[in-house]
Formats: sequence, structure tokens, C-alpha cells
Amino acid sequence: GEDVEQSLFLSVREGDSSVINCTYTDSSSTYLYWYKQEPGAGLQLLTYIFSNMDMKQDQRLTVLLNKKDKHLSLRIADTQTGDSAIYFCAEIPTAGGYQKVTFGIGTKLQVIP
Amino acid sequence: GAVVSQHPSWVICKSGTSVKIECRSLDFQATTMFWYRQFPKQSLMLMATSNEGSKATYEQGVEKDKFLINHASLTLSTLTVTSAHPEDSSFYICSARDSATGGGYTFGSGTRLTVV
Repeated sequence: GEDVEQSLFLSVREGDSSVINCTYTDSSSTYLYWYKQEPGAGLQLLTYIFSNMDMKQDQRLTVLLNKKDKHLSLRIADTQTGDSAIYFCAEIPTAGGYQKVTFGIGTKLQVIP
Repeated sequence: GAVVSQHPSWVICKSGTSVKIECRSLDFQATTMFWYRQFPKQSLMLMATSNEGSKATYEQGVEKDKFLINHASLTLSTLTVTSAHPEDSSFYICSARDSATGGGYTFGSGTRLTVV
């Protein structure tokens, strides 16, 4: 089955860039998502990319996809204290009628003022 | 964008009682909704897929008689935790996708269930 892996923790200083990494295993075409979860809250969709794309940029967020290595990264430019949260990488294969979302364990981003 | 409303945000109940959690798609129709459970410091685990007008599909290890799912309309799915026990205490989150417009899965704000 699908497997999504992330590092558990990342600490950066306010104003620096953050890079959160994720690897996935599904070899078929797939959507890859980044979600943000603040304490006690649900998940907020940040951005997503289809597996035939290499990069997607949305304001301070840049998603890079290395299809060969099945490696996905989320770069947050000018990281702010409000970016402190847990970031989940998720994969949804497009094949088949049942689209099951596989989440990574989540990376806790700590922004130091 | 698509909005999913989940209610209640938190609930405390006594052991043996049942608790119902609602998940509504506010501005779109969702034939399929998903229910997740999240333990502290862990990722989300899919419990079941809720299908409008038919039976839910449960993941392996999830007791269908304990976690009753009803998806009676295109905008509402409910999860009822029956005869709750302290080990059922967790964070429950639902999600749905606006298939008409595509895009990512939208999540509710979650329900913190504490069984005492």
C-alpha cells in the first residue's frame, strides 16, 4: 500500500525559510497535498500539486516535486510565528474510484522569534 | 472555497453514553465524506468512508457497530460513538471534497471527545 514519510520536527528562526520534506511510495499518478494543523484545530489545506508537475508557487509557499525520487517539499519563505503548526503531507492516488488519502505523520514546525 | 462544518467542537460524556458528531458541507454537495481519528502527536487515521444513501465503508479494525455512520443527505454525515469508553477519547475529524470543482479535500475543524 501507499506510505508517506515525514520528519517529525523542524525549528527555524522568524524571517528564515522553512523547508519541510516528504517522501511517498505510490508509483501511479497521484495528487500530493500539504495541510496545516494548529493546536486543537482541524486541517487547513495549504496547497496541492499533481504528480506531473515539478513546482507550484503560491505567495510564500513553494512546492517542489522530484518524481524520480518521489520526494516532495514545502518551502515557506519569511517564516512567521503564526506558521508554527504541524504540517501534514498527504497522497491521493488518482487510479480507481476509491480515493483514499494517506497522510504522513506530520512535521511540527517551531518558529523562534 | 469549499467549507466543511463539524459540530460539536468538543464534548465530554460519561462512559456508556453515546455521542453524535455532525459533519456538514456548507456550500457544496458531497456524495462521499471521510471520518478520521487522531491520537495525540499522531497522524490521522481513516476510520470510514461515508457514502450518501448507502452503507459506510469501514477500515480494517474499526468496529462498525461502535462507530455508526449515517450519510442521509448530500450535505450531512454523522458519526455516532456508541457506548463510549475512555479509550474512545480522541480527536475526530471529517473531510469532504467538492467533486464538482476539484481541488483538495476540505476538513472540518474537528471534535475533541473526552469520555470520563
